[in-house]
Amino acid sequence: DAGVIQSPRHEVTEMGQEVTLRCKPISGHNSLFWYRQTMMRGLELLIYFNNNVPIDDSGMPEDRFSAKMPNASFSTLKIQPSEPRDSAVYFCASSWTPGGTDTQYFGPGTRLTVL
Amino acid sequence: AQSVTQLGSHVSVSEGALVLLRCNYSSSVPPYLFWYVQYPNQGLQLLLKYTSAATLVKGINGFEAEFKKSETSFHLTKPSAHMSDAAEYFCAVAGGTSYGKLTFGQGTILTVHP
Repeated sequence: DAGVIQSPRHEVTEMGQEVTLRCKPISGHNSLFWYRQTMMRGLELLIYFNNNVPIDDSGMPEDRFSAKMPNASFSTLKIQPSEPRDSAVYFCASSWTPGGTDTQYFGPGTRLTVL
Repeated sequence: AQSVTQLGSHVSVSEGALVLLRCNYSSSVPPYLFWYVQYPNQGLQLLLKYTSAATLVKGINGFEAEFKKSETSFHLTKPSAHMSDAAEYFCAVAGGTSYGKLTFGQGTILTVHP
């Protein structure tokens, strides 16, 4: 099993640009999670999907952030327009069952730098 | 709401010494508790989890944790530290009113000295 795949691994962009982060969950997993990790705020859950449907997006910081899951094997997190304070490591994770009670498998993360 | 507090953002031990990383949780219902480890430039990896079965949970790499309801604690231990244990460790809680959400602590960076 290839595990959770994220791309790109590193992204450097300028303020105001659109950024799209991609995630491929483990095959067969029904739930997908997007997290953001910063030194100041630690690890924060942004949004999670169950069977491709967004269940909880209360962690999405503002309207500049959007996430989609068009099918069971692909999800995107988009930031438009990007700002320097969005600089962070963004993780995608997946699990067999909905909710946080099951083991979540994390991808390697995308390190985003907004100049 | 559920929450997790990890006592000590940095812990330093000598190789071969006992590792103790502290975690206290708050939950209005019986919780699911987890310890994850993050090595530099990698994602998080599950070490162990408590799901209301045995209170002493054994995980990978020789780590274990004990669930103590009376103390609302879930401390992580390893009898003898190895250099490869150097990483950041996260305690997390799930369940209750926040079904669907895994709440992480702030993390503890473990340094192992030769």
